[in-house]
Amino acid sequence: AQSVTQLDSQVPVFEEAPVELRCNYSSSVSVYLFWYVQYPNQGLQLLLKYLSGSTLVKGINGFEAEFNKSQTSFHLRKPSVHISDTAEYFCAVSDNSGGSNYKLTFGKGTLLTVNP
Amino acid sequence: EAQVTQNPRYLITVTGKKLTVTCSQNMNHEYMSWYRQDPGLGLRQIYYSMNVEVTDKGDVPEGYKVSRKEKRNFPLILESPSPNQTSLYFCASSLSPLAGNEQYFGPGTRLTVT
Repeated sequence: AQSVTQLDSQVPVFEEAPVELRCNYSSSVSVYLFWYVQYPNQGLQLLLKYLSGSTLVKGINGFEAEFNKSQTSFHLRKPSVHISDTAEYFCAVSDNSGGSNYKLTFGKGTLLTVNP
Repeated sequence: EAQVTQNPRYLITVTGKKLTVTCSQNMNHEYMSWYRQDPGLGLRQIYYSMNVEVTDKGDVPEGYKVSRKEKRNFPLILESPSPNQTSLYFCASSLSPLAGNEQYFGPGTRLTVT
C-alpha cells in the first residue's frame, strides 16, 4: 500500500517570496511521483512529474521539485511566487513496479495563498 | 481540443433518487477513473477502468456503480444517493498510467444530496 503526506495544509506567502510545499510518501515498491495544481473552481492539471533519471524535475510556471529517495520526499519549490499561483497543490504517487493494476494516491492538498 | 467532459456540472437531488454523472474523453485513452474531493481529505478514488469492460474498485466504492461499455465513456451511477455522497466529483483519463503518463481531469461535478 502507498500513502502520501503533505505536511502543510495551508501556506501563506507574500508575492515574490520563495515557497516550498512539502510532500512525503510511503511505498513498498518504486514509484512515480506527481504534483497537480487546482485553481479555484477548476479541475486538476499536471504541474510536473518524476518517472526516473534526474532527481530535479522542472515543471510549468517556474515550479520545480526534487525527488529524494532516502528521505522519501518530493518537495515542490518556486523561487518567486505570483498572485496567480494562489491555488491548491496536490502531491500524488503511483506504483511503477510493473503490476497489472494502476492506482494514483493523492495527498490531502496544500492551499497556497499568495498575498500582495 | 483534447479534453475530459463531465455532465452535469452542478446537481442538487434528494435522497434515494437515482442519478448518473456522465464522463467522456476524446483522447482515445484506455484508463479512466472517478474521484471524489472533500475538504481536508484530498481526492479519493471511487472506481477505475483499465480498458473497455474492465473496472475495479478504488478506495471508496460503496454506494457507487460504474460501467465501461465504450472506450470514451465512463459514467458514474448513484443508485440511491445519500447525504454523505454530497461532494465534488472528478473524472480523469490517461493514455497508459503504468508508463507514468499523467491523468487528465474533467472540470468537476458538484453534487448536493438533501
